[in-house]
Amino acid sequence: DGGITQSPKYLFRKEGQNVTLSCEQNLNHDAMYWYRQDPGQGLRLIYYSQIVNDFQKGDIAEGYSVSREKKESFPLTVTSAQKNPTAFYLCASSTFTGTGSLSGNQPQHFGDGTRLSIL
Amino acid sequence: GDSVTQMEGPVTLSEEAFLTINCTYTATGYPSLFWYVQYPGEGLQLLLKATKADDKGSNKGFEATYRKETTSFHLEKGSVQVSDSAVYFCALSDTNTGFQKLVFGTGTRLLVSP
Repeated sequence: DGGITQSPKYLFRKEGQNVTLSCEQNLNHDAMYWYRQDPGQGLRLIYYSQIVNDFQKGDIAEGYSVSREKKESFPLTVTSAQKNPTAFYLCASSTFTGTGSLSGNQPQHFGDGTRLSIL
Repeated sequence: GDSVTQMEGPVTLSEEAFLTINCTYTATGYPSLFWYVQYPGEGLQLLLKATKADDKGSNKGFEATYRKETTSFHLEKGSVQVSDSAVYFCALSDTNTGFQKLVFGTGTRLLVSP
C-alpha cells in the first residue's frame, strides 16, 4: 500500500544534540512538507519542498534544516539551535500541479508523526 | 494573511447525537477547504474537501458545505459514534504564495460517550 512512513515514532534529544527525523513516501508525490504540532494548537509549517534538490522555509524554520536528495525522502534535522524542540512532528506529501488555483485542490497526505522530547 | 477559526472544544456528545463543529475562514482569492481528523497518537487523515463555493464535501456520514457568503465550512454528522472521538481540524489551501500552503485551525476535540 502507498503511504508515508515516519520514523522513529518516539525520539529523545539531549542538550546540544542534533537529531534527524525520517520521512519516506511511496506515493510518487512531488511536494513534501514538515509541520510541527504543539498541544492545543494547529499545525505550523516548518519547511516544504516542491521538487528534488529544492526546498523553502515555512513559518517556523529557525533551528531546523532539511534536504531533498531523492523524491521519496525528506528528512528533517532538529538542531541544537532549536531551544524548544519538544513537539509532535508531522510529515506530509501531495501532488504538485503548479501554481494558481488548481494547485490548491490536491489534499496533503500525512504520516503518523514523530514525538520528540528533551532528556 | 489567511486564517481559520474553529470552535473551541472539547465537544462532548452522547452516541447518536447530532454533531456540528463550526469553522470560519479569512482568505484572499478562492481557497480550497478541508476537514482533517486526528486519532490519538496518529497523523492527520483527510476527511473531506470542497474546492469551490456551494460544493458539499462528504465522507463516512460527515458533511460540510463551502459557504462563500458566510466564509464558513461547518462540519456536520447526523448521528455520531464512539469511534468518531478524535480531534478535527479545519484547513484552507492558500495558493497566493505560489504553492499549496495549508492553513490550519487549532482543532476541536470531540468526545462521544456510549
